[in-house]
Amino acid sequence: GAVVSQHPSRVICKSGTSVKIECRSLDFQATTMFWYRQFPKQSLMLMATSNEGSKATYEQGVEKDKFLINHASLTLSTLTVTSAHPEDSSFYICSAPPEAGVEKLFFGSGTQLSVL
Amino acid sequence: AQSVTQPDIHITVSEGASLELRCNYSYGATPYLFWYVQSPGQGLQLLLKYFSGDTLVQGIKGFEAEFKRSQSSFNLRKPSVHWSDAAEYFCAVGEPDSSYKLIFGSGTRLLVRP
Repeated sequence: GAVVSQHPSRVICKSGTSVKIECRSLDFQATTMFWYRQFPKQSLMLMATSNEGSKATYEQGVEKDKFLINHASLTLSTLTVTSAHPEDSSFYICSAPPEAGVEKLFFGSGTQLSVL
Repeated sequence: AQSVTQPDIHITVSEGASLELRCNYSYGATPYLFWYVQSPGQGLQLLLKYFSGDTLVQGIKGFEAEFKRSQSSFNLRKPSVHWSDAAEYFCAVGEPDSSYKLIFGSGTRLLVRP
């Protein structure tokens, strides 16, 4: 079946540095991908919708300049956390629907970001 | 706006006992409904989903869920819990005309007593 690959699974960085997280659809094309953030013991909150060939759509309260999203191709979306701070430490998960729609929505395995 | 409520933050059951995790949603029509399971530090695994048709949905790992329109509920059940079922469970809704965005409930952590 379709798989979404997310990399890295875990990253530790110093405050002020930028971190890039990749989300790849392995055997299907994804014109849209979604980025979620999950704080410890909380639910997943949608951050933004990544659109191939156009700008990402951000949810209310999410800083566009802080969380840069690039949907470079039909199989790759990247989330860059710029100038990361400890409060950005979180679990980030991407998801992608193949063209068949939401019933085929697949999630990556997530990235645990720890900012020191 | 859509919302999902999982009223139980934690549930503890004995291994072999039955399980029911509650989920209520708020939406003007019938949404797409999902249950996902998340093990610590892991991504999400889809247990089951409901779009239309039979209101009792069978999923993986012996789970089932029943859509009750009158109660705006989509509770997850399992007749006999195994220790490996201990995890975080999320109910989610999506709009049928969707851009495939899901709204998640706050999650229920399942603990299994030996």
